[in-house]
Formats: sequence, C-alpha cells, structure tokens
Amino acid sequence: GAGVSQSPSNKVTEKGKDVELRCDPISGHTALYWYRQSLGQGLEFLIYFQGNSAPDKSGLPSDRFSAERTGGSVSTLTIQRTQQEDSAVYLCASSLAVRNTIYFGEGSWLTVV
Amino acid sequence: ELKVEQNPLFLSMQEGKNYTIYCNYSTTSDRLYWYRQDPGKSLESLFVLLSNGAVKQEGRLMASLDTKARLSTLHITAAVHDLSATYFCAVMAGGSQGNLIFGKGTKLSVKP
Repeated sequence: GAGVSQSPSNKVTEKGKDVELRCDPISGHTALYWYRQSLGQGLEFLIYFQGNSAPDKSGLPSDRFSAERTGGSVSTLTIQRTQQEDSAVYLCASSLAVRNTIYFGEGSWLTVV
Repeated sequence: ELKVEQNPLFLSMQEGKNYTIYCNYSTTSDRLYWYRQDPGKSLESLFVLLSNGAVKQEGRLMASLDTKARLSTLHITAAVHDLSATYFCAVMAGGSQGNLIFGKGTKLSVKP
C-alpha cells in the first residue's frame, strides 16, 4: 500500500487478555517504530527496528509488552495480560533510513475494559 | 534526559494573521521533526530539519532550526481555517536512532 497500514483499527479487550497489533510499513522502509499516544502521557516511544533487529527497545513499559519484526517488513506488537492503563492509540511508523522522514500509520485504538 | 517544550500549548488566531510556535529542547540532537495532527487522525509529517540554520517552507508554514540555541520555530503566515490542528515538534534522543521525544503539542484554532 501507499502508506503505513495498521490493524486492527479499533480493539476493545477485557482486562487480563492478550492483544496483538499489526503493522505493515511502507514498502522498502528499513526502519520501523512503535509509539503510543494517550491523553495523560502524550506521545511515547516504545521500540525501534532496523531490519529485523531492535537496537532500541527502551520505551517498552513492562515485560508484558513485546514486539517482533519478520522479513524486514511486518511487525507485531503484543501486549500480554492487558491492564486498563494500556488503553491508548498505538502508532506504527516507518522510514526509508534513519535520517529520513518518519511516516505514521492511522493507529490502533486499544480500549481495555 | 532530553526534554522538549513547546509554547504556546493553545493558540487562537484570526485568519490572515501571522504567528510563531516555539520548540525548545534540552540536549544536543541532530534531528528535529514537525508534525500536524487533526482530531482523531494520525500524525502527518510536515518538516524534517537536520542541520543548524536549516529552513524549510511549505505553503503558509515555515520551519527553522537553531541547534546552538536548541530552538526550532514554526511560523504561520496569513493563517487560514484549514490550518486548525495540533502541531507537534519532536527531537531524536541522542544516541538513539528511533527514540523521538515529542513536545506536548500546540493546539491551533484559526477563526474567521
């Protein structure tokens, strides 16, 4: 596709359940990023991939959060045992290289009830 | 720890007027980004500034970077209603290639 694609666009889950969020970056983009946006915390970095490796995962808030990227393309962010404070918009982004424009997807809106 | 501060956080303008949004950051960085966000939408890239003295313009928006002062500005010329949105600046944390630190955003409202 032309832009960064994320799914699902909306997800309501019960507290304690696991969720998987998917990101399909712009074709050819080697760098992939996950951020989240919430009213209370603003925009926060979670993890960055260069190819399939994650040189910077310093923003993952707890060990309930993990992410992987396969084939240098699609990435999955997994949240285990979701808590209400995990409710946020999870934004995926990609760039051609590290000093290029970073393009964001439309986000996955996660609500934990 | 890198901190990014924007001001003002809220800005109400009349159409046709000029104004500037300021973005200060606390430690050295080699990259600064400006984004626009409409309500319920994602972030739209406006500018990437990579060097001291960089100036970029697109339509009624112009961004500049002074790395010595750790300051970027987003200047709005002759505002129109369509520019109403929230504008974020973001700075890449030193030593990182992916950790963008965002300001809190400036909510701009342009009134007729």
